[in-house]
Amino acid sequence: SQTIHQWPATLVQPVGSPLSLECTVEGTSNPNLYWYRQAAGRGLQLLFYSIGIDQISSEVPQNLSASRPQDRQFILSSKKLLLSDSGFYLCAWSVQQGGADTQYFGPGTRLTVL
Amino acid sequence: AQKITQTQPGMFVQEKEAVTLDCTYDTSDPSYGLFWYKQPSSGEMIFLIYQGSYDQQNATEGRYSLNFQKARKSANLVISASQLGDSAMYFCAMRPILTGFQKLVFGTGTRLLVSP
Repeated sequence: SQTIHQWPATLVQPVGSPLSLECTVEGTSNPNLYWYRQAAGRGLQLLFYSIGIDQISSEVPQNLSASRPQDRQFILSSKKLLLSDSGFYLCAWSVQQGGADTQYFGPGTRLTVL
Repeated sequence: AQKITQTQPGMFVQEKEAVTLDCTYDTSDPSYGLFWYKQPSSGEMIFLIYQGSYDQQNATEGRYSLNFQKARKSANLVISASQLGDSAMYFCAMRPILTGFQKLVFGTGTRLLVSP
């Protein structure tokens, strides 16, 4: 069966510091991968998606970036965090199986920027 | 553009009763998929149920069923025999069925509280 891991689970970082969040998927090959952010009490905002290694698309311009160095690894980064980067970050994967592919989410990382 | 509307910010239900969470959508795409996710306080988004716009029957998954009314553009989630563990945020989402990448659009969510 497929599983998705995210770490760290929680993170407190000062403004201006760098960021690296990691997501890995097991039990599937060539998944589509996604990074979402959820602000407190709000819905999900798609940040990045990837259909393959080194194929990243950005949905929202910001100081975040994403990379996919391996098939089942997706990394969210920033060189300098802003206060507005605080939130809950969710990674998700999907596999096209005809129709609308279902996205499955990881446990998330709660980021607080002080 | 697609839009999902969840008009109930909060719902209360007693344990063992059934509850309906409302979801309406707007799209011009002829084919689309509708999803419901549960988000407990831990934060993880848990996939519950899927309905394709072309499906003739309403989807069911255990205690979850989707009341799909295409003409009214509604896709309400019905939870039967509520349990205390059902207390969570519930999100409705949709995605067109087209070639290439298509964004999954979420509603603002409904918070369900199940009381003993």
